[in-house]
Amino acid sequence: AQTVTQSQPEMSVQEAETVTLSCTYDTSESDYYLFWYKQPPSRQMILVIRQEAYKQQNATENRFSVNFQKAAKSFSLKISDSQLGDAAMYFCAYKNRGSQGNLIFGKGTKLSVKP
Amino acid sequence: DAGVTQSPTHLIKTRGQQVTLRCSPKSGHDTVSWYQQALGQGPQFIFQYYEEEERQRGNFPDRFSGHQFPNYSSELNVNALLLGDSALYLCASSFGTLTLNTEAFFGQGTRLTVV
Repeated sequence: AQTVTQSQPEMSVQEAETVTLSCTYDTSESDYYLFWYKQPPSRQMILVIRQEAYKQQNATENRFSVNFQKAAKSFSLKISDSQLGDAAMYFCAYKNRGSQGNLIFGKGTKLSVKP
Repeated sequence: DAGVTQSPTHLIKTRGQQVTLRCSPKSGHDTVSWYQQALGQGPQFIFQYYEEEERQRGNFPDRFSGHQFPNYSSELNVNALLLGDSALYLCASSFGTLTLNTEAFFGQGTRLTVV
């Protein structure tokens, strides 16, 4: 069974600084996607960034980028120029065709941004 | 576009009662998935509906049941509520069920408290 592990329950960053959130996963599949979702206090899950497993190039979305290490099964999220609005729970998630496209989530990392 | 809407936002029920949660998918989406998010945990997949049928189910007892209507909206029913059913219930909609490259959009969830 696929699993997703986030080893950092909480992280803190100074406004305008850079922070990296860690995620590892376990799978025997070769065709899958990885995601980072943000869940602010409003509770709605918002997609931050996604990575296709067969693409070697790391995905980037504005201030958000990932470091995808397929052999190590590692998928970290880097947030540059952190803003107060980045404070939220961040969840790493996995999806493969075998799960018919449903998401397997980690336990999340709570990110605080200090002004 | 209203996005994914869920109702009610909050609900308090007594142990042993039954509850129905509702979800309207994002316009153009035909697939609805339900997730349970216990406090301090990542969401866990309950089941997915596509073409008015349950297509996949997570590791949840049959006290959890659902339905999808011709307009693609969906209901989650939980019978014989237990204290452990207290959680945030998230609905996610997407287009198609077998496409790996399908982004799921989430609603703001229903906070269920069982007393």
